[in-house]
Amino acid sequence: ETGVTQTPRHLVMGMTNKKSLKCEQHLGHNAMYWYKQSAKKPLELMFVYSLEERVENNSVPSRFSPECPNSSHLFLHLHTLQPEDSALYLCASSQSTEPGSAFFGQGTRLTVV
Amino acid sequence: GQNIDQPTEMTATEGAIVQINCTYQTSGFNGLFWYQQHAGEAPTFLSYNVLDGLEEKGRFSSFLSRSKGYSYLLLKELQMKDSASYLCAVRDRDYQLIWGAGTKLIIKP
Repeated sequence: ETGVTQTPRHLVMGMTNKKSLKCEQHLGHNAMYWYKQSAKKPLELMFVYSLEERVENNSVPSRFSPECPNSSHLFLHLHTLQPEDSALYLCASSQSTEPGSAFFGQGTRLTVV
Repeated sequence: GQNIDQPTEMTATEGAIVQINCTYQTSGFNGLFWYQQHAGEAPTFLSYNVLDGLEEKGRFSSFLSRSKGYSYLLLKELQMKDSASYLCAVRDRDYQLIWGAGTKLIIKP
């Protein structure tokens, strides 16, 4: 238990489906992150929220849409995904001044069919 | 461009010592991190180096040479539970984390 909880742990969706990934942190952190982890590739930072404001969007396709309703919750809304979007999606949180020592959730293993 | 290089996979024997290297080329430097990630689990923070030298934490040690753009993670008295991927990450001048692809460590009895 890292203090960061992601649901669901596994998700299989068709290319026409709409689904959402959820992340919740219980650590009192004020920054939250979405990462994509593909096999044998570096972690790719997708979005950063600091104090509930989106501060970074690393050229992520619009089929991924983040939402941060408060400092404890983060969502990633998915629609019309492609098979190459299949990956492990990791949520992390930190104090905004210390992004390097972030705490990660266990991730959602997404498969797009 | 910025990049982090580390071996894709390493194999070691239970009870032995293994050194996982990481070299980096980044725009500035504000610290280097090592994370451990067991299969299907979250990455967990292992160590942080910002000054040259060796940081020791139990069976694990991490070394940094900023002039060489080089770090290593040293694992002693290897245990089967140490089988995992080890991720190296560098914080650049903008305080963004640049990640390596990870080294998968396989421990054999």
